[in-house]
Amino acid sequence: AQSVSQHNHHVILSEAASLELGCNYSYGGTVNLFWYVQYPGQHLQLLLKYFSGDPLVKGIKGFEAEFIKSKFSFNLRKPSVQWSDTAEYFCAVRSGTYKYIFGTGTRLKVLA
Amino acid sequence: KAGVTQTPRYLIKTRGQQVTLSCSPISGHRSVSWYQQTPGQGLQFLFEYFSETQRNKGNFPGRFSGRQFSNSRSEMNVSTLELGDSALYLCASSLVGSGNTDTQYFGPGTRLTVL
Repeated sequence: AQSVSQHNHHVILSEAASLELGCNYSYGGTVNLFWYVQYPGQHLQLLLKYFSGDPLVKGIKGFEAEFIKSKFSFNLRKPSVQWSDTAEYFCAVRSGTYKYIFGTGTRLKVLA
Repeated sequence: KAGVTQTPRYLIKTRGQQVTLSCSPISGHRSVSWYQQTPGQGLQFLFEYFSETQRNKGNFPGRFSGRQFSNSRSEMNVSTLELGDSALYLCASSLVGSGNTDTQYFGPGTRLTVL
């Protein structure tokens, strides 16, 4: 069965630290990949998405993610986090069906 | 363009009752998906509707059902509520739900508490 793994469940960083959140998926075919963010008290928002082409995609608020097909990974990165990045981050994969598979999420806390 | 709206935002029910949640997609979006979000479980896919037809279904019991109307609005029903049904129920809409550029947009969710 298809699955998405986010190995970091909780991450605590100081402001200005670099961020990398891992996302691995299990599916051998063509996939579309997404990162969503849920700020405290707010609804899920799309951070960035990968459909095809350049495996390095840039999203909002300085986030980027790299698709590495050979590793079945789509890790999220940000060179310098801010206190306002405190949120829960979800990786999602859509394969040939209409169904999205989400990871269990990573809670990021940024200390001011 | 208005985003995805969900009503009600909060619900408190008791075990054994049933509940109906509503979702209005972004104008022009024809695919509506429902998810259950609980701490530590992430988002669990319930079902997806397109043009009033259920096109995909997750692994939830038959107590969970849904439907979509001709204007793309969708409702989700949970019968015989159990304590474990307490969760945030999210609705997401997209243009068609398939294709290599389709993207889901989420509503604020309905927080269901079962006592």
